[in-house]
Amino acid sequence: GENVEQHPSTLSVQEGDSAVIKCTYSDSASNYFPWYKQELGKGPQLIIDIRSNVGEKKDQRIAVTLNKTAKHFSLHITETQPEDSAVYFCAGEGDYKLSFGAGTTVTVRA
Amino acid sequence: NAGVTQTPKFQVLKTGQSMTLQCAQDMNHEYMSWYRQDPGMGLRLIHYSVGAGITDQGEVPNGYNVSRSTTEDFPLRLLSAAPSQTSVYFCASSPIVQNQPQHFGDGTRLSIL
Repeated sequence: GENVEQHPSTLSVQEGDSAVIKCTYSDSASNYFPWYKQELGKGPQLIIDIRSNVGEKKDQRIAVTLNKTAKHFSLHITETQPEDSAVYFCAGEGDYKLSFGAGTTVTVRA
Repeated sequence: NAGVTQTPKFQVLKTGQSMTLQCAQDMNHEYMSWYRQDPGMGLRLIHYSVGAGITDQGEVPNGYNVSRSTTEDFPLRLLSAAPSQTSVYFCASSPIVQNQPQHFGDGTRLSIL
C-alpha cells in the first residue's frame, strides 16, 4: 500500500514569514494529493489539493507543488498569520484509499 | 448543512466492553470511511465503504466491524474493547468519483481503561 512520509514534524515561524512542509510517497499509482488542516478538537479540513496531471496549484496564500518523478509534494504558506497555527496533514490517494503523513504542527509566533 | 456527524463525542469504556460509534452524512456521498488518529502516526484507515451493502478493510481493521445498510449511515463497532483501541476516531465521506476530497466529522474521543 501507499506510504506517505511528512517533514518536519514541528515548525515554528515568525508571523509574516513563509512555512514549507514536504511529503514523499511510495506508490506511483497515487494520483491525488490533498492537504488537510486540523485545529484542536476538530476534524481535518481540506485546504488545498492537487491531481497528478498538475505540477502546481495556488489558492491565495497557499500553494502546493507536485513532482511525480521524484514522488514528492510540498505545501507552501506565505505571509503566515496566527490563525495558520494548526496541525497540517498531507495525504496520497490511490484506489479510493487515503494514506496520511504523520502531521506537522505549525506554530506562528506573533 | 450538517455534513458528517459523529456521536458520541467522548466515551470511556472498560476493557472487554463493546460499543458502536455512529457516523451519519447528509451529502448523499457513496464513499464513507473510518480512521483512527494516534499521536505521531497521522490518520490510519480502519474500514471503508463504496456504497450501501459494500464494505472493505483498510490498514488497521482488527478488532472493528462495520456495516453499511443505508447511504447515510456507517457505524463502527468495537466488539471487545482493548486499551490499544484508545484513540480519536474520525469518519469521512466523499462522492464515489475518484480524486475528490473527503469530508471529516469532528471525531469521537475514546478511552479504554
